[in-house]
Amino acid sequence: ETGVTQTPRHLVMGMTNKKSLKCEQHLGHNAMYWYKQSAKKPLELMFVYSLEERVENNSVPSRFSPECPNSSHLFLHLHTLQPEDSALYLCASSQDQGWTNEKLFFGSGTQLSVL
Amino acid sequence: AQSVAQPEDQVNVAEGNPLTVKCTYSVSGNPYLFWYVQYPNRGLQFLLKYITGDNLVKGSYGFEAEFNKSQTSFHLKKPSALVSDSALYFCAVRDTSNYQLIWGAGTKLIIKP
Repeated sequence: ETGVTQTPRHLVMGMTNKKSLKCEQHLGHNAMYWYKQSAKKPLELMFVYSLEERVENNSVPSRFSPECPNSSHLFLHLHTLQPEDSALYLCASSQDQGWTNEKLFFGSGTQLSVL
Repeated sequence: AQSVAQPEDQVNVAEGNPLTVKCTYSVSGNPYLFWYVQYPNRGLQFLLKYITGDNLVKGSYGFEAEFNKSQTSFHLKKPSALVSDSALYFCAVRDTSNYQLIWGAGTKLIIKP
């Protein structure tokens, strides 16, 4: 158990739906991340939060909207997605963000399919 | 531009044989290098890192990696492969401008009995 829990594990949604992904970390970390994982591609960093403040937003379309209400919880709100958004969405946490030797702790991911 | 390359999509090794998963990088300044492993239906798990010091880094599950500055490589190795090592392996380097990780595309390692 990595200490990072993601729900749901699988999600199928239509392009007009609104859904949310949830991440919770039990490690007392100060930084949380959303990554997109597509087959045979490098992980794409989407958002970074440090102490509940967004510090990185890598040109992600506005149909993805993150929310970090406290240092233990992270959400990714989804609306009007496209089929190419189908992927595994991974949440991760670290003690702090920006430390050069720090490691990330990942959840098991949400496998998203957009129909 | 800073980048990481994993030249092999897949590596096949017989159980008990040594394995190598290759990684090369391009970064300005001193590299901070990492290996992560992803087992089926799981998130990524940290294996090992190189920050400074000895070029041979030891990590979890008997894995080690060799940092080679002249070849800008950080290959992952294990002397004797196990079937349970079958997984997806990712190399990453720390971006020196914003400290976020730059990832390779991953290498699928298949260990056959």
